[in-house]
Formats: sequence, C-alpha cells, structure tokens
Amino acid sequence: DAGITQSPRYKITETGRQVTLMCHQTWSHSYMFWYRQDLGHGLRLIYYSAAADITDKGEVPDGYVVSRSKTENFPLTLESATRSQTSVYFCATKGGDSYEQYFGPGTRLTVT
Amino acid sequence: QKEVEQNSGPLSVPEGAIASLNCTYSDRGSQSFFWYRQYSGKSPELIMSIYSNGDKEDGRFTAQLNKASQYVSLLIRDSQPSDSATYLCAVKTIGFQKLVFGTGTRLLVSP
Repeated sequence: DAGITQSPRYKITETGRQVTLMCHQTWSHSYMFWYRQDLGHGLRLIYYSAAADITDKGEVPDGYVVSRSKTENFPLTLESATRSQTSVYFCATKGGDSYEQYFGPGTRLTVT
Repeated sequence: QKEVEQNSGPLSVPEGAIASLNCTYSDRGSQSFFWYRQYSGKSPELIMSIYSNGDKEDGRFTAQLNKASQYVSLLIRDSQPSDSATYLCAVKTIGFQKLVFGTGTRLLVSP
C-alpha cells in the first residue's frame, strides 16, 4: 500500500513555464492538502480540497491552480513559474473524523 | 505574533538525556495538537497527537498540553542520535480542517 505518492520527486524548470506536480493517494481520504516548505517560513498551506470538485485557498495560493476531479488525485499547477516558487512541495491527506494529516514524500522544485 | 511559535534551536542534548521541545499558540479556540518529526530531506512524520489537557505517553515520547497557558510540549526520554531531526508543532483551530504549523525546532542528540 503506497499511501501517498508525489511525482516528480525533483524538477528543474525555467521562469515562465507551466509545471504540474502530481499527488496520488490510495487511502480514499476525503481531504487533501498542498503545502510548500521554505527555510524560515515552515510549512505553508497553498490549497486544500474537502472532496472531489471542492477546493479552497490556503495561506499562499497566488500563482497556483488546483483541481480534483477524482478523490485519489490532487494536482498542483504553477501556471507561469517564478523563482520565488522554488521550494519543496508536500501533499498531505486527512481522513474521517481525525484531524491527523499524513504527508507524501515531497517534490523539490527549482525555478531558474 | 505568529499563530504557532517554536524556538528554532538547535537544541543539543547528550545521548540518554531528556529532550524538551516547546510550542506556544495564539488561538485560545485551538482544539487539537500534533507533533511531527522531519528528518533532513524527508517529509514530516506524525509522532504524537494530543487533544486534552495533561500528559499523553507513547513509548519514549510524552506530549504535554496546557490550554490555559496555551502551550504544548514534547518530551523525548532516553534521547538517541536517531532522534536528531526537526520537530514541528501543528495546531488545529476550531471551525477549520486546516493545521497551522510552527517553523520547527531542530534537535541534535550527540553520542
């Protein structure tokens, strides 16, 4: 049981390009989250989703787009990447009545 | 004032000692509290959750919650070099499904 997977694990892209980070879960958890982690800022919530077709903004949504057509997938798209979006991106899930979140392995994104 | 505050450290303790990690939060309505461990280059891993005042023990880990003083702590007994990591405190406030994370405390356990 893979739990949560993220792809790619590493990505280098150029300023202005569109990039999509994938998140897939096998637990059928209803909630999914996208965070970015930067030195000095900790984990910051970008977007989250309560269920398929239900998404909402987090703390730092600007420059990002999400969709959730299926419960198990929650892609994050950077429509026009900027250097300030260089970061480590984590996907997480939460299921049932628990508030515990479980994290994927992360994607390290570098924008040049 | 940040919503969740932690001393960034590093907190250095010798092997076998007790490591004490602290976290304060600003929202009195906060209900649920979590400690995550994050090794360098890895993702956060949930190690403890606590929901009511008092202590909760799990192996070498004890979480302590004091809602009146708005702090939560994590004690690691018999610290091992393998405990060297960054420990993140996370808080869930009332009415939201989201967690707010502190910036983490780096723990170094020396042999």
